Amino acid sequence: GAVVSQHPSRVICKSGTSVKIECRSLDFQATTMFWYRQFPKKSLMLMATSNEGSKATYEQGVEKDKFLINHASLTLSTLTVTSAHPEDSSFYICSGVSGGYEQYFGPGTRLTVT
Amino acid sequence: AQSVSQHNHHVILSEAASLELGCNYSYGGTVNLFWYVQYPGQHLQLLLKYFSGDPLVKGIKGFEAEFIKSKFSFNLRKPSVQWSDTAEYFCAVNAGNNDMRFGAGTRLTVKP
Repeated sequence: GAVVSQHPSRVICKSGTSVKIECRSLDFQATTMFWYRQFPKKSLMLMATSNEGSKATYEQGVEKDKFLINHASLTLSTLTVTSAHPEDSSFYICSGVSGGYEQYFGPGTRLTVT
Repeated sequence: AQSVSQHNHHVILSEAASLELGCNYSYGGTVNLFWYVQYPGQHLQLLLKYFSGDPLVKGIKGFEAEFIKSKFSFNLRKPSVQWSDTAEYFCAVNAGNNDMRFGAGTRLTVKP
């Protein structure tokens, strides 16, 4: 099956700093990538959808200036959490799609803001 | 927009018991349906999917799900669970536009 990686798997940062999370499709070209946020014991919440080479589409309630998404190539998308605060601590998961409806998920990144 | 409901928040079963997890969605058009599993400390994995055809779909590890269009349901079943099935299970619906919506998840605990 298609493989998606995320880096880093865990990150701890201080409040006010920015953190970049990478999402890579290793063996397929992801025309569309998605970023989700998963709260403890909760489901995945879609944050944004990004297509290669164009601006991301953010879900209602997600601050686009806070969660910067870049999908510069068919195998890489990045999520930058700017000026992070403790309430941004969460599990961030990306997924990629290659022309179909099935999404391939990355292993997630645990962000802790102190 | 479509929504997905999973009725059971936490299910506790003994090994060899039968499992059925409910999933209902609200969308009137053509949908693609998925069940994902998340084992402790691991990422989401696809259990099975339905796009079209036979409404009874079989997935990995002995799981199956039945799409009942009239009931807007896609329940997950397994005849005999194992301790290793302990995980979080998510139902997801895609209305054909890459807009995937997940249910709240059902935590399954299987007691040895």
